[in-house]
Amino acid sequence: GESVGLHLPTLSVQEGDNSIINCAYSNSASDYFIWYKQESGKGPQFIIDIRSNMDKRQGQRVTVLLNKTVKHLSLQIAATQPGDSAVYFCAENLIYGQNFVFGPGTRLSVLP
Amino acid sequence: GAVVSQHPSWVICKSGTSVKIECRSLDFQATTMFWYRQFPKQSLMLMATSNEGSKATYEQGVEKDKFLINHASLTLSTLTVTSAHPEDSSFYICSARETQPHQETQYFGPGTRLLVL
Repeated sequence: GESVGLHLPTLSVQEGDNSIINCAYSNSASDYFIWYKQESGKGPQFIIDIRSNMDKRQGQRVTVLLNKTVKHLSLQIAATQPGDSAVYFCAENLIYGQNFVFGPGTRLSVLP
Repeated sequence: GAVVSQHPSWVICKSGTSVKIECRSLDFQATTMFWYRQFPKQSLMLMATSNEGSKATYEQGVEKDKFLINHASLTLSTLTVTSAHPEDSSFYICSARETQPHQETQYFGPGTRLLVL
C-alpha cells in the first residue's frame, strides 16, 4: 500500500561531512528505485535512480547503493552542503508503468 | 531535464467552492500523470493515476466525485477539488512520466498549496 504519515526521522550532519540516508523498501520484486529531494514548500526533485540489476550508481556528489538481499537502499551525499538540507524520499517501482511507492522520508539538517 | 509545472502555486478559497489545479509537462509528452497530496511532515500519498484520453484510476479511499481528474492532452492534466472543505487543505503535487518506452522516471511539479477557509 501507499506510505502513510509518520513523524519524519531526522539526520543532522556537519557541513562538509558525508551523509548517509537509508531506506527499507517493501517489495522484493521492485526493479527500479529513485531518490528524491524535497525542499520546504516545493515538489520532489529527482536526484538519482538505480535499477535492480545494479548495486551501486554514482552521480555528482551522490551515490546510491542497493542491497536486494535485505531490501535496503541508501543515498550517500559527499561533502554535505547547507543547500542539501531537505527531506529525502526513496521510491520503488513495483510494476513497470505504474506509480511509485514512496518511503516515509528522512529530513536532513546540515549544521554550520 | 524534464519540467513539470503546476498552476496555481497557492490558492485560498471559501468552503463549498471548487478549485481547479493544472499540471503541465513542458518539454515532453506524458501519457500518464499522477496526483498526490501531502500533509505537513508526511510522505506523498497517491490519489489517482491520470491517463490521457481515458478515465483516471483512483486509489482506495479517494472520492472520484470529489476529486475530478481530466487528462485531455499529452501535456495537461487537471485536478478539480469540488465543494472544498477545510479538511481538503493540503499540498497537492502532480508528477508526469514520459511516453517513451522504458522511461519510468516521474518528474514532479512544484506543488499547489490549497487552503480552504
